Amino acid sequence: QQQVKQSPQSLIVQKGGIPIINCAYENTAFDYFPWYQQFPGKGPALLIAIRPDVSEKKEGRFTISFNKSAKQFSLHIMDSQPGDSATYFCAATDSWGKFQFGAGTQVVVTP
Amino acid sequence: GAGVSQSPSNKVTEKGKDVELRCDPISGHTALYWYRQSLGQGLEFLIYFQGNSAPDKSGLPSDRFSAERTGGSVSTLTIQRTQQEDSAVYLCASSLASRGSGYTFGSGTRLTVV
Repeated sequence: QQQVKQSPQSLIVQKGGIPIINCAYENTAFDYFPWYQQFPGKGPALLIAIRPDVSEKKEGRFTISFNKSAKQFSLHIMDSQPGDSATYFCAATDSWGKFQFGAGTQVVVTP
Repeated sequence: GAGVSQSPSNKVTEKGKDVELRCDPISGHTALYWYRQSLGQGLEFLIYFQGNSAPDKSGLPSDRFSAERTGGSVSTLTIQRTQQEDSAVYLCASSLASRGSGYTFGSGTRLTVV
């Protein structure tokens, strides 16, 4: 069964909008939560990651919000640009183990 | 090398033939992973190598799939008697396998079985 549930499957926003992607997990042993960005024809690339000891992390226009009690985390893309159009994957791991990936969200930012 | 290198980048093969896909991880990365991504789909875990430990083969879809990692570095994924449903992008990733280290993915091998 999928250990990390990701939604929505796809979303379209206008330039300047804030796409939000949500992920939920069950395994309380998970303690590292990265997000990956994948452009067509390329492998996924690490975008930003968070540990459960903080509730928010920002890197440029990308923000992760983390809710430990709800076992949920989300990615916000501030002031989205057409160049942000890509597939985004959330993931979780218990430090030493392999990553559990979400199913991916295709984001389209229209001009 | 600077990144994870995969070869070939594209492979077209006839149904029933065997194929080998190669992955060169980042130097010093002890963990190596193979994933499969079908068109527009998510990342399907195949196999995981960590140092000298026995590999985690729990994701291999059938006994036609096998992988090895020689000298703790280069890995080869072999698919025997390829089927059309094997058509996908095969992604390799490596990591330091230390707490908080992310995966670095290669660009993948696009396999088409005709």
